[in-house]
Amino acid sequence: AQKVTQAQTEISVVEKEDVTLDCVYETRDTTYYLFWYKQPPSGELVFLIRRNSFDEQNEISGRYSWNFQKSTSSFNFTITASQVVDSAVYFCALASPGGGGADGLTFGKGTHLIIQP
Amino acid sequence: DTGVSQDPRHKITKRGQNVTFRCDPISEHNRLYWYRQTLGQGPEFLTYFQNEAQLEKSRLLSDRFSAERPKGSFSTLEIQRTEQGDSAMYLCASSFLREKHRGTPYGYTFGSGTRLTVV
Repeated sequence: AQKVTQAQTEISVVEKEDVTLDCVYETRDTTYYLFWYKQPPSGELVFLIRRNSFDEQNEISGRYSWNFQKSTSSFNFTITASQVVDSAVYFCALASPGGGGADGLTFGKGTHLIIQP
Repeated sequence: DTGVSQDPRHKITKRGQNVTFRCDPISEHNRLYWYRQTLGQGPEFLTYFQNEAQLEKSRLLSDRFSAERPKGSFSTLEIQRTEQGDSAMYLCASSFLREKHRGTPYGYTFGSGTRLTVV
């Protein structure tokens, strides 16, 4: 069975602070994909990043960066110099295509990020 | 192509009524997924199609739920005899499965969802 845990239910920071969202996953598959999505109040899920299990390189995209560590089964997301527009619910998700089931995503419960001006 | 479209955006229905939602995926995507998201939770997988074939159903998909994807294009999700517990956001997503990368979800894109309220 697959599981994604986002232990932080809500985080509130002041604008321009850095913030890290934690994600821990469980899977028995050796091939899998990890995702981060942003869900603003309007409701749509906005894709941020996909990482496969064979690529442990960290990635930086503008103010966003991701730290993937297979040793700790973690895929953490950092926003540098946060802005009010970053306020949203962020979901970490896992898919293991070809692992005995569909490649539907298993989501964590999400972290509600509040950036205060 | 404007992405994944879902209709309606909002639906209020009385308990016991039937409702149907529609999803139009990105045209070149051959996989289509349905998810349900309740308040304060992450989306939960319901079912998916590859072209017109429904390949898997979650245990969350009770007998009152049925999904179709005729001709491998748009999909409909019907809920019969709605219950208050069916109130949720129903999300559709599509992706492109490349045969040479069998099992690789590629370009997984979500629609804006249909919010169902059962009163």
